[in-house]
Amino acid sequence: SQKIEQNSEALNIQEGKTATLTCNYTNYSPAYLQWYRQDPGRGPVFLLLIRENEKEKRKERLKVTFDTTLKQSLFHITASQPADSATYLCALGWAGADGLTFGKGTHLIIQP
Amino acid sequence: DAGVIQSPRHEVTEMGQEVTLRCKPISGHDYLFWYRQTMMRGLELLIYFNNNVPIDDSGMPEDRFSAKMPNASFSTLKIQPSEPRDSAVYFCASSFGQGADEQYFGPGTRLTVT
Repeated sequence: SQKIEQNSEALNIQEGKTATLTCNYTNYSPAYLQWYRQDPGRGPVFLLLIRENEKEKRKERLKVTFDTTLKQSLFHITASQPADSATYLCALGWAGADGLTFGKGTHLIIQP
Repeated sequence: DAGVIQSPRHEVTEMGQEVTLRCKPISGHDYLFWYRQTMMRGLELLIYFNNNVPIDDSGMPEDRFSAKMPNASFSTLKIQPSEPRDSAVYFCASSFGQGADEQYFGPGTRLTVT
């Protein structure tokens, strides 16, 4: 069965630095990959989408890469701020299916 | 738009009781998803609907769980009878189109079964 791995340990980053989060998967490569942000007590909020034929996408301070050879997506937050502290979830989707398979998320802490 | 609305926000019930969770998707969205989130298993897809029709219920854990969508603006997830291992946060999400369209999540219902 498909397995998705995200850093299980919390990631502590100093304010102003770039935070890099990893999402690795096994077996079949997805048709697309999405990243969500989740704050305590709230539902996930969509951030970025990247498709299998795309290498990189950017949105403001966010950047996501997708390497189907390594079976890995990297999510970067540049010039990180304490307000970026949250749990970040990667989610995989496949052609012909509309549901997402989520990783367990990485808890990011930006320290001032 | 108010976003996806879920009720109740918190539910505490005793083992064996019936629990009904409710969801109102964003108007105009054709897809509705039910997820369950626990520390152990993360966020899991239970079932999703397209135009009120259940498409994939392979994530529903067992027959005690059922979901309905009688119209485009309302869905329910029912657990009967409930068990302590059903304790989790249940999220409803909706999206405009299929596949890669972003999903909009509700605030969730925190269910505790004692």
